Amino acid sequence: QKEVEQNSGPLSVPEGAIASLNCTYSDRGSQSFFWYRQYSGKSPELIMFIYSNGDKEDGRFTAQLNKASQYVSLLIRDSQPSDSATYLCAVRLSNFGNEKLTFGTGTRLTIIP
Amino acid sequence: NAGVTQTPKFQVLKTGQSMTLQCAQDMNHNSMYWYRQDPGMGLRLIYYSASEGTTDKGEVPNGYNVSRLNKREFSLRLESAAPSQTSVYFCASSAVEWDNQPQHFGDGTRLSIL
Repeated sequence: QKEVEQNSGPLSVPEGAIASLNCTYSDRGSQSFFWYRQYSGKSPELIMFIYSNGDKEDGRFTAQLNKASQYVSLLIRDSQPSDSATYLCAVRLSNFGNEKLTFGTGTRLTIIP
Repeated sequence: NAGVTQTPKFQVLKTGQSMTLQCAQDMNHNSMYWYRQDPGMGLRLIYYSASEGTTDKGEVPNGYNVSRLNKREFSLRLESAAPSQTSVYFCASSAVEWDNQPQHFGDGTRLSIL
């Protein structure tokens, strides 16, 4: 079982709709969760992080965390063509000072105009 | 405001050649990382350095060596390049003063081994 799993996609969503990206992780000791966006040929850039159960909102983006189910998701509201990218889920264990992240393989999202 | 700078951006090597990928950050971060990214494989950690003077192996360290030259610089060396090392290499850095610090990535080095 992979430590961090994501559906590779492609996920196609009409412009203006909600895109829902999912990620599951295997290590119950995981404490911090990050979503990165990566455009084709570019480097990953941070979208959001979350470490408490529940929802965290930032503009059109909402991260959701359920530690009991070992599940983290990213919702993108009012999807725009510029949201078309690969979204990487990353997970970190709890050791303070150990900043290693484990990445999923990413979900490729396409917003259809 | 450079952030994380990687050089070179592109490189083509022949099998058996050696080269060093350079990485420097200007954010005063303690931790630095080297990843490789291959299609369908996501980002895989090669080596990391939690602080100046320390380095540790990641998930895929074979065939690579690293040097944490000072707090700013972290280099990755391929001693004898192999076609399996054809990949995109990313350097990243993060602070450790408090938890939940994200990693900041450089623009990447696209390396082809013929």
